[in-house]
Amino acid sequence: ETGVTQTPRHLVMGMTNKKSLKCEQHLGHNAMYWYKQSAKKPLELMFVYSLEERVENNSVPSRFSPECPNSSHLFLHLHTLQPEDSALYLCASSQDGGYGYTFGSGTRLTVV
Amino acid sequence: DAKTTQPPSMDCAEGRAANLPCNHSTISGNEYVYWYRQIHSQGPQYIIHGLKNNETNEMASLIITEDRKSSTLILPHATLRDTAVYYCIVRPHQTGANNLFFGTGTRLTVIP
Repeated sequence: ETGVTQTPRHLVMGMTNKKSLKCEQHLGHNAMYWYKQSAKKPLELMFVYSLEERVENNSVPSRFSPECPNSSHLFLHLHTLQPEDSALYLCASSQDGGYGYTFGSGTRLTVV
Repeated sequence: DAKTTQPPSMDCAEGRAANLPCNHSTISGNEYVYWYRQIHSQGPQYIIHGLKNNETNEMASLIITEDRKSSTLILPHATLRDTAVYYCIVRPHQTGANNLFFGTGTRLTVIP
């Protein structure tokens, strides 16, 4: 347990489904991040939230919709995904002025 | 753009020191060197970071050359649980959300 909890750990969804990934941190951090890790590819930064405001969206398709209701929670809402969106989705948090990121264990998503 | 170059893979015998090199010839004066590792199907884990002085913690040692163009992460007594992908990242230390970009890393295999 790293202090960043992601649920669910595994998710299988059809291309027409709507689902949400949840991330929760109790470290008192004020920045949160979503990363995507596809097979045999480096981690890709998707979204960045600082003080609950989205500060970066790295050209992510609109079928991925993030939400940060407070500094401890981060969601990634998914709809009409494609099979190529199957990947490990990782959440991380950090503290303003701090040095390290703390990552969750990820959600393994399979789109069928 | 990860701005670092690492060998794609390395092997190390259990109990021996693992020395993982990283080239960062374009590093700027305000950029730190960070090391993370990712054990299979888990989120990355922070290991250590440094600016110009050598650093040591309970996990590893970081040796940075005087010109700061390269560094070496040392795991003094590698165990099987150290088998992972190790990422070397350079980034400035700054306030606000600090984006962390990962390259392809070095896959370290510790051999019994």
